Amino acid sequence: GNSVTQMEGPVTLSEEAFLTINCTYTATGYPSLFWYVQYPGEGLQLLLKATKADDKGSNKGFEATYRKETTSFHLEKGSVQVSDSAVYFCALSDPNDYKLSFGAGTTVTVRA
Amino acid sequence: ETGVTQSPTHLIKTRGQQVTLRCSSQSGHNTVSWYQQALGQGPQFIFQYYREEENGRGNFPPRFSGLQFPNYSSELNVNALELDDSALYLCASSLDSSYYGYTFGSGTRLTVV
Repeated sequence: GNSVTQMEGPVTLSEEAFLTINCTYTATGYPSLFWYVQYPGEGLQLLLKATKADDKGSNKGFEATYRKETTSFHLEKGSVQVSDSAVYFCALSDPNDYKLSFGAGTTVTVRA
Repeated sequence: ETGVTQSPTHLIKTRGQQVTLRCSSQSGHNTVSWYQQALGQGPQFIFQYYREEENGRGNFPPRFSGLQFPNYSSELNVNALELDDSALYLCASSLDSSYYGYTFGSGTRLTVV
């Protein structure tokens, strides 16, 4: 079956630091890959996505590249802000399936 | 775009009771899914409805049921509530499939006491 593994948190950073959250996946088909973000007390917001190998998703300074050879979709941001403090979820969707499979989430705290 | 709205935002129920959670999908989206997110965990798929028919179900017992209506609204019903049902319930909508991502609502926080 499909599964997603992402690095455990929590991650605490200073403002303007570089952020990386690792994500690897297992899928039977050719999945789409997503990063969702959840701010305190809120639902999930789609941060970025990639639908095929070597695609790069980007949004709000965040980037992730779909690496089929390493089955990875690591999230990066070059200079984080306090407002980036949230829980980040990596997820996949297989075209032969009907659901999103999520990782456990990584809590990121950015200190001023 | 109107987004996905859920109601109520918070709810407290007693073990053994029944609950109905509501969701209004984003306009034009014919697919709605429900997810359960326990504290500190990632969302778990409950089921999906496409054009008012259930077309996928996760590992949840039959006391979790749903409906989707022609106006894009939907319901999640849970009978015989158990303490472990306490969670954030998320509704998500999309057009045709999940391949390009879902739009999520803010969720309903259910507490069973």
